Amino acid sequence: DTEVTQTPKHLVMGMTNKKSLKCEQHMGHRAMYWYKQKAKKPPELMFVYSYEKLSINESVPSRFSPECPNSSLLNLHLHALQPEDSALYLCASSQDQTYEQYFGPGTRLTVT
Amino acid sequence: GEDVEQSLFLSVREGDSSVINCTYTDSSSTYLYWYKQEPGAGLQLLTYIFSNMDMKQDQRLTVLLNKKDKHLSLRIADTQTGDSAIYFCAERPQNTGGFKTIFGAGTRLFVKA
Repeated sequence: DTEVTQTPKHLVMGMTNKKSLKCEQHMGHRAMYWYKQKAKKPPELMFVYSYEKLSINESVPSRFSPECPNSSLLNLHLHALQPEDSALYLCASSQDQTYEQYFGPGTRLTVT
Repeated sequence: GEDVEQSLFLSVREGDSSVINCTYTDSSSTYLYWYKQEPGAGLQLLTYIFSNMDMKQDQRLTVLLNKKDKHLSLRIADTQTGDSAIYFCAERPQNTGGFKTIFGAGTRLFVKA
């Protein structure tokens, strides 16, 4: 099983809303990632968790707040987003940082 | 710095072979990867090659690695319409601790019936 699941599939939110994106994997992977992907562009790394600790924050604005409640779950809390934050948000996981990453299907986020 | 480059478009006829090329700059990557992304979907890991290998074959897919020239290619034999997608070449430089994956811009493959 190489499945990473993400919910919701689509999300429309206003600039004053608070919402969360969820990601789950049951492969025993110890590294989990959030990426942002704009149309016709490659994914851009946002955050990396390794063994449930935040290892990398790629200078992401504080309106994005990651959380790793346990080794299987990764959340991305959203607050006061801007229309330019509209994108596909992808979660990925890997056994650790030296192994290949497996991606979820993504959450299509639209900020109005 | 780290950089991965790919051509942006490739168009082939159904049944022909497709070859997607990629160049990368960082020689510290232990593995190099090919991902496929269909419209509206996430990235699917297609295959990867260990940096001390020259070639890897997996059914219709053949990966060639020229480490001296830092050139990677993906050959898809008997290309089908279902292969139409964006293909990303990627590396994970070990000098970043291996956490960061550097993606190319992606090659959009069009398969004509």
